[in-house]
Amino acid sequence: AQSVTQLDSHVSVSEGTPVLLRCNYSSSYSPSLFWYVQHPNKGLQLLLKYTSAATLVKGINGFEAEFKKSETSFHLTKPSAHMSDAAEYFCVVSGPNNAGNMLTFGGGTRLMVKP
Amino acid sequence: NAGVTQTPKFRILKIGQSMTLQCAQDMNHNYMYWYRQDPGMGLKLIYYSVGAGITDKGEVPNGYNVSRSTTEDFPLRLELAAPSQTSVYFCASSESSGNTIYFGEGSWLTVV
Repeated sequence: AQSVTQLDSHVSVSEGTPVLLRCNYSSSYSPSLFWYVQHPNKGLQLLLKYTSAATLVKGINGFEAEFKKSETSFHLTKPSAHMSDAAEYFCVVSGPNNAGNMLTFGGGTRLMVKP
Repeated sequence: NAGVTQTPKFRILKIGQSMTLQCAQDMNHNYMYWYRQDPGMGLKLIYYSVGAGITDKGEVPNGYNVSRSTTEDFPLRLELAAPSQTSVYFCASSESSGNTIYFGEGSWLTVV
């Protein structure tokens, strides 16, 4: 069994300040973990993924996430927020085969960026 | 760069009506999926397919049917629409298990 908890449903930051979106997971396996971003009225776009290689994963648009097994966390960060980062972000854990049928989505975090 | 294409983008249905959400991908992916996204929730898997002629139920299949006659197409059928099916539907595809999953832009369905 596996589950994902995104600890904040909404996060608001000012442009140019750091972003932290928190994600905790539980899994009976060695999981693969993903962050997806969803802009309004758009599909989901993959930001980054962790698949048991380096624990610090760099993604697109300056985002990165660190896999911490001891804390069962996979928090998403960005040093400096941009207005275009305003979107919904989903933390996702996959099952043992990493197939789409084994994905579990978190409830999402809506990131708001103030000018 | 078409990727995963869903139609229609928006639709209003009356209770009891039927409709088909179309999904096509041009990446020659074997795996295709249908998810629904309810407000404030993550995506839940409705049905998936690992290749032409093969389909299987996901977490929330009741009230839906799918078919996979070709690699490219994976339509989702709602036979008797109910208000509980008001949701945003996403089609997705991947080359195989373990590969990046690509999502369509979503179909907003309202049942009244």
